[in-house]
Formats: sequence, structure tokens, C-alpha cells
Amino acid sequence: KAGVTQTPRYLIKTRGQQVTLSCSPISGHRSVSWYQQTPGQGLQFLFEYFSETQRNKGNFPGRFSGRQFSNSRSEMNVSTLELGDSALYLCASSLAAPEREQYFGPGTRLTVT
Amino acid sequence: QKEVEQNSGPLSVPEGAIASLNCTYSDRVSQSFFWYRQYSGKSPELIMSIYSNGDKEDGRFTAQLNKASQYVSLLIRDSQPSDSATYLCAVTPSGGYNKLIFGAGTRLAVHP
Repeated sequence: KAGVTQTPRYLIKTRGQQVTLSCSPISGHRSVSWYQQTPGQGLQFLFEYFSETQRNKGNFPGRFSGRQFSNSRSEMNVSTLELGDSALYLCASSLAAPEREQYFGPGTRLTVT
Repeated sequence: QKEVEQNSGPLSVPEGAIASLNCTYSDRVSQSFFWYRQYSGKSPELIMSIYSNGDKEDGRFTAQLNKASQYVSLLIRDSQPSDSATYLCAVTPSGGYNKLIFGAGTRLAVHP
């Protein structure tokens, strides 16, 4: 079974721009969660989507948003990029039931200059 | 107090030894606990999940959970140099659906 895929793998953007990252979950997985990983803050939860609905949200500003499509694929968007948004953005998928195992994709490395 | 705490290490063990990694959490009603391994430059890889008190074994890995003490640990038997990585403890808070709260991770170095 194919794993979680994320595109693009690397991205360089300028401060003030916006960016969209994409995630395709493992086949059959309907829950998709997004995380940000930085050396200073570690791994932090952004939000989770299930059945096209945001089920949970972390403590990030409104510049961070996401959505999920009917095929469970998900996108996250960051508007008005700041230097501090440079990070590894990870997507994880899991089965529908809450609190089950999550499997991570390879991540998108975003650099904001 | 951090929600999930781990010793940052590095924890250095000789090849063939048992590595013991520890994690404490603050949300007393948390129900789901996970260990991930992350190699440098890679994404986290799920090693173990544990949901009830006691031990859970999978190959060379054993996860231990003590909800009364709010403590979860990971033992790696017969440690290999390929086990050298950062090990992340993750907890789902009560009512958190699939939200994972991660510890900062423990760096493990297995030397030949």
C-alpha cells in the first residue's frame, strides 16, 4: 500500500507571499493532520481534517488554513509568509476512528527568505 | 510544565545493550500514546502505539505505560547502530481526536 505523499518536497518563498502544500493520505485513511516542525519549537499540531471538516485546530494564527477534499486529499495554505514560517511541514493520515495510529508523509521543507 | 516531557539526551549506549527512553505527560485522562523514530532529515516513523497499562512488545521494542504515574517508556533490546535516531513520544489529549502532542525527543546514539 502506498504511503502518505506530499508535494512539493521543497519550496522557497519570499516574505509576504502565500503558499499551498498538498497531501495525499494512505488509501482508506480519512483523517489527515498537519504538523509544523522547527528546531526551536519541535513538532506542533496545526489542524486535523476528517470528512472534509476541520475536527481540531492547534494554536496557530489565522494565516494558516487548510481544507480536505471528498477523496480525503488535503491542502494547507499559509498566507502572508513570515521568516518564522520556515519549517518542515508534515502531513499524517490515519483511519477514521480518533486517537489511532498516524503515519507521516515525507514532509515539505519550506524556506521563507 | 510541558505537556509531554522527554530527556533530550543524547543517550549513548553500546551496541547490543538495552536502550531505555522515558516520557512523562501532564494530561491525566490521555488515552493514546505513541513512539516515533526520526532519522536526521527524515519524517517521523511510527514504532509503537500503546493504549492500556502494562507492556506491549513488538520485536526488539517494548513500550510500557503507567497511567497512574503518567509515564510511558520505550525499551530497545539488542541496540544496533541503525537505531541511532531521535525518538519522539506523542500523546493524544482527552477529546483530541487525532491531535498529537509531541515531546522534544530523545537523541539515541548506539556506538559499536
